[in-house]
Amino acid sequence: DAKTTQPNSMESNEEEPVHLPCNHSTISGTDYIHWYRQLPSQGPEYVIHGLTSNVNNRMASLAIAEDRKSSTLILHRATLRDAAVYYCILRSKGGSQGNLIFGKGTKLSVKP
Amino acid sequence: SAVISQKPSRDICQRGTSLTIQCQVDSQVTMMFWYRQQPGQSLTLIATANQGSEATYESGFVIDKFPISRPNLTFSTLTVSNMSPEDSSIYLCSVGLGAGVYEQYFGPGTRLTVT
Repeated sequence: DAKTTQPNSMESNEEEPVHLPCNHSTISGTDYIHWYRQLPSQGPEYVIHGLTSNVNNRMASLAIAEDRKSSTLILHRATLRDAAVYYCILRSKGGSQGNLIFGKGTKLSVKP
Repeated sequence: SAVISQKPSRDICQRGTSLTIQCQVDSQVTMMFWYRQQPGQSLTLIATANQGSEATYESGFVIDKFPISRPNLTFSTLTVSNMSPEDSSIYLCSVGLGAGVYEQYFGPGTRLTVT
């Protein structure tokens, strides 16, 4: 699975939108872009995933660049509960079914 | 989705002993995984435990150190054997749901401290 690059940390104010970037310049055509987050003292939590088109769900939106070399996780209105480490992970549909390769992620702080 | 529980939630153990961690899922799942998260670090996959087959270990992890059982579709155990302080970590189980590109759901983790 290809590698991703994320900023180590970001800050946001409560109730403002947050854009978390992820670079994956070596992404292959079969790589899906997954996002997970890990709240303090909890296991990781699935957020969203996509392949080419932008995706929306109840938690967040995923904007994927046209060349797929980068993507952005969008939290539309940050809450204090969104403070977590966010992981951007590439997984090939045809690859190892289990191996989520976690990088260091982006630690998001939300200020009241 | 799936609800996953782990026991114990935390433990403090002496070096040289072994600890068995239990993972229970509220639905039947084929794929279960065990991860380790060392202090201040990200997660690393230890092994994949699919029901009906032997566990598959990742590079750097061996069965003698981390034996895994998967007796049915809702339960698995991971044993950390002959522990040393370097084994102090959070151990998490997860399950895979859905066909193709699937989501993984994680348990709350077991925080192990080896003294």
